[in-house]
Amino acid sequence: EIVMTQSPATLSVSPGERATLSCRASQSVSSNLAWYQQKPGQAPRLLIYGASTRATGIPARFSGSGSGTEFTLTISSLQSEDFAVYYCQQYNNWPPSFTFGPGTKVDIK
Amino acid sequence: EVQLVQSGAEVKKPGESLKISCKGSGYSFTSYWIGWVRQMPGKGLEWMGIIYPGDSDTRYSPSFQGQVTISADKSISTAYLQWSSLKASDTAMYYCARGPTYYYDSSGYYHLIQSGYTFFDYWGQGTLVTVSS
Repeated sequence: EIVMTQSPATLSVSPGERATLSCRASQSVSSNLAWYQQKPGQAPRLLIYGASTRATGIPARFSGSGSGTEFTLTISSLQSEDFAVYYCQQYNNWPPSFTFGPGTKVDIK
Repeated sequence: EVQLVQSGAEVKKPGESLKISCKGSGYSFTSYWIGWVRQMPGKGLEWMGIIYPGDSDTRYSPSFQGQVTISADKSISTAYLQWSSLKASDTAMYYCARGPTYYYDSSGYYHLIQSGYTFFDYWGQGTLVTVSS
């Protein structure tokens, strides 16, 4: 069973700075990896699918990369509205018990 | 506009039954998967199960198999998540979300998603279920 891990658990960043979030799979998930953003009190929002394709309406400052077991979400210049929790999700392998990573919280430095 | 609208918050006692709903609009309800995701208070996201309303093909995470039932009524574009006997540990926010069956990546390549194991491109607003005696 594939287990997803994310690092760091918390990332403190100043507005305007670059944020780099990591997601690792315990075995290869090819490019079947999505990223979501969740703000307090809101539902998750899809940011990236296929490891690197931005979802509709997602700003270009969000980018995804990686394949196999190592993935990265980069926010090039953090805006105030980007402070949130970010989850990765693999959709390559069954069973899906641990399909989502534990999340990375991006907060204001 | 794609929308998934979930039923309202529920407060139940242990042992009671419950069925919550998720109504889709703005797209072909029978052409996408609908998944259910649990989020316990202060915790992360857990994939519960998924249904394809077109033919009612349903898959469950092993962690939730036998604990919940997922169904759909395509005539009213609505998916359901139900419990026959709630426990206090079922207290959580429950989200429904739409899952594509295919997508094009940024290079224009077509990807077919099989077996209901997909990402979620639109989410409902969530239904808070509180189970307490």
